[in-house]
Amino acid sequence: AQSVTQLDSQVPVFEEAPVELRCNYSSSVSVYLFWYVQYPNQGLQLLLKYLSGSTLVESINGFEAEFNKSQTSFHLRKPSVHISDTAEYFCAVTPRGGFQKLVFGTGTRLLVSP
Amino acid sequence: EAGVTQFPSHSVIEKGQTVTLRCDPISGHDNLYWYRRVMGKEIKFLLHFVKESKQDESGMPNNRFLAERTGGTYSTLKVQPAELEDSGVYFCASKFQGPGGTDTQYFGPGTRLTVL
Repeated sequence: AQSVTQLDSQVPVFEEAPVELRCNYSSSVSVYLFWYVQYPNQGLQLLLKYLSGSTLVESINGFEAEFNKSQTSFHLRKPSVHISDTAEYFCAVTPRGGFQKLVFGTGTRLLVSP
Repeated sequence: EAGVTQFPSHSVIEKGQTVTLRCDPISGHDNLYWYRRVMGKEIKFLLHFVKESKQDESGMPNNRFLAERTGGTYSTLKVQPAELEDSGVYFCASKFQGPGGTDTQYFGPGTRLTVL
């Protein structure tokens, strides 16, 4: 079985500041890792994913996440946030190669203020 | 390409009533998933269809929940009778697992269900 921990339920930051949203997972098998984002009054959108290859993955809007196998982490970072990044961010994992479900963390609400 | 769509976007019902949620996956996606988020908690898996067959329904909370996917296209999730604890946001996701598939689930906007 898998589990995902997002320790920070809420992260307030000022615009243009850097941010890191933490995600740790537990699994007895290799996994794929995902970050999803939910903007206010919208559905879940895929932000970025790690399937294989380079452990550093990037999104089109400046976020990046690094898969660290030894620390079982997949933290999400952005060097300079915008007001429009205000949203809830969910880390999720699923076993490699299967048809299986996503296991989500509890989500981190990023609040960006001017 | 149209994304995953869900209907209705909101539903408010009385305890004991019946509600049916619908999900239309991305065209050609053979895998369809239902998830639920109860207020403030994590998004939890309910069940998984491969085409019209239930692959995994281990997350279904009880027999008041019935999911179908006739013909392997759209899916419905019926709650009968609804209880207060069924309130939450119900998400549907779809994925294409065949050649060229990316192991990525694409989510719909969700249905917010409120049981009074």
